[in-house]
Amino acid sequence: QKEVEQNSGPLSVPEGAIASLNCTYSDRGSQSFFWYRQYSGKSPELIMFIYSNGDKEDGRFTAQLNKASQYVSLLIRDSQPSDSATYLCAVALDNYGQNFVFGPGTRLSVLP
Amino acid sequence: GAGVSQSPRYKVAKRGQDVALRCDPISGHVSLFWYQQALGQGPEFLTYFQNEAQLDKSGLPSDRFFAERPEGSVSTLKIQRTQQEDSAVYLCASSRGRSNQPQHFGDGTRLSIL
Repeated sequence: QKEVEQNSGPLSVPEGAIASLNCTYSDRGSQSFFWYRQYSGKSPELIMFIYSNGDKEDGRFTAQLNKASQYVSLLIRDSQPSDSATYLCAVALDNYGQNFVFGPGTRLSVLP
Repeated sequence: GAGVSQSPRYKVAKRGQDVALRCDPISGHVSLFWYQQALGQGPEFLTYFQNEAQLDKSGLPSDRFFAERPEGSVSTLKIQRTQQEDSAVYLCASSRGRSNQPQHFGDGTRLSIL
């Protein structure tokens, strides 16, 4: 059973702070890792993806991957109230377009 | 259109009725995925197409669920003899199908079975 774990939250941070979202996965064969943001009643929206160990930065977002620890995280700098949403971690086992395994999501609340 | 289009957005059906949900992927995307999302949960995989071929249907919860993509573009997810536990949001996603490509989601169909 391939599993992806996330703290369900809610994670509350003040506006302007760094929000840190964490995800662990069980299958060591996992190759690709994705973070999606989902507003209530809306569909998941891709934020970032990462394939290699280390950090990947895009604007206020940084994804961090540690395959040895089977851990991927998303940092949101200068958090804004508009960042309040559920963040879904998705893991793909191989490189051939197969389905993603999603975590349950972490609810983030950025307080003004 | 530029994104994945799903219809209807909302569907209410009585228990025992058949329903059909439609997905129109991003033009040129060869891979198409169906997911089921319960309230407060992450999406759960149902089935996957590459062009017209259904390569994985391991996530379909029962033989009442059937999906097709006959021409490798639009896909339909059909649920026969609906049950209350089928109530969920059904999400469709598409990708280029090459290795490591992100999936892009439609707005989903919210299905309510009375």
